[in-house]
Amino acid sequence: ILNVEQSPQSLHVQEGDSTNFTCSFPSSNFYALHWYRWETAKSPEALFVMTLNGDEKKKGRISATLNTKEGYSYLYIKGSQPEDSATYLCAFGPGTYKYIFGTGTRLKVLA
Amino acid sequence: GAVVSQHPSWVICKSGTSVKIECRSLDFQATTMFWYRQFPKQSLMLMATSNEGSKATYEQGVEKDKFLINHASLTLSTLTVTSAHPEDSSFYICSARKMTTPFHQPQHFGDGTRLSIL
Repeated sequence: ILNVEQSPQSLHVQEGDSTNFTCSFPSSNFYALHWYRWETAKSPEALFVMTLNGDEKKKGRISATLNTKEGYSYLYIKGSQPEDSATYLCAFGPGTYKYIFGTGTRLKVLA
Repeated sequence: GAVVSQHPSWVICKSGTSVKIECRSLDFQATTMFWYRQFPKQSLMLMATSNEGSKATYEQGVEKDKFLINHASLTLSTLTVTSAHPEDSSFYICSARKMTTPFHQPQHFGDGTRLSIL
């Protein structure tokens, strides 16, 4: 059974703080990794697609890195804002069949 | 673009009722749609992969007679929970892939359906 772990499960940060979360996945048979941002009562929105070891992607204040050899990806948020409050999901793809989701990291940014 | 509409958002019904959930791709054609279920504090678990014009592929442990999937067009897939019982209460969410999108690209999700069986 392939397992995808995300940590922490939840965290609260103050507005302006920078933060990061981890997605751990099996280091064998890597195909792709996705990061999604999921706000309450909305649909998950894709943030990043990571495919190559060493990938670094950036979108505004949010960035992600990928290490396929050791099986982890980090998501960073610089200068957190209240509108960043959401659940951040990662999804690991071991091949062209399906993606396996982590349980998510629930972020609350306090004003 | 790439909007997926899921309906209904909430369903509360009595035990023994069958419930149909619709997943529509509004501005693209989707040959493949995925149905997930999420229990509290757990991850999205793939239930089945729905392919237009053919039978759905169910994940291990998912009863195909319990969760009927129909994907009759390139823009609509339905999940019917037949004779629902309280243990079927969960959050169900669909996603869709565009026809020409490589598999490494992300899925487009609906907003999900909260199903409560009394």
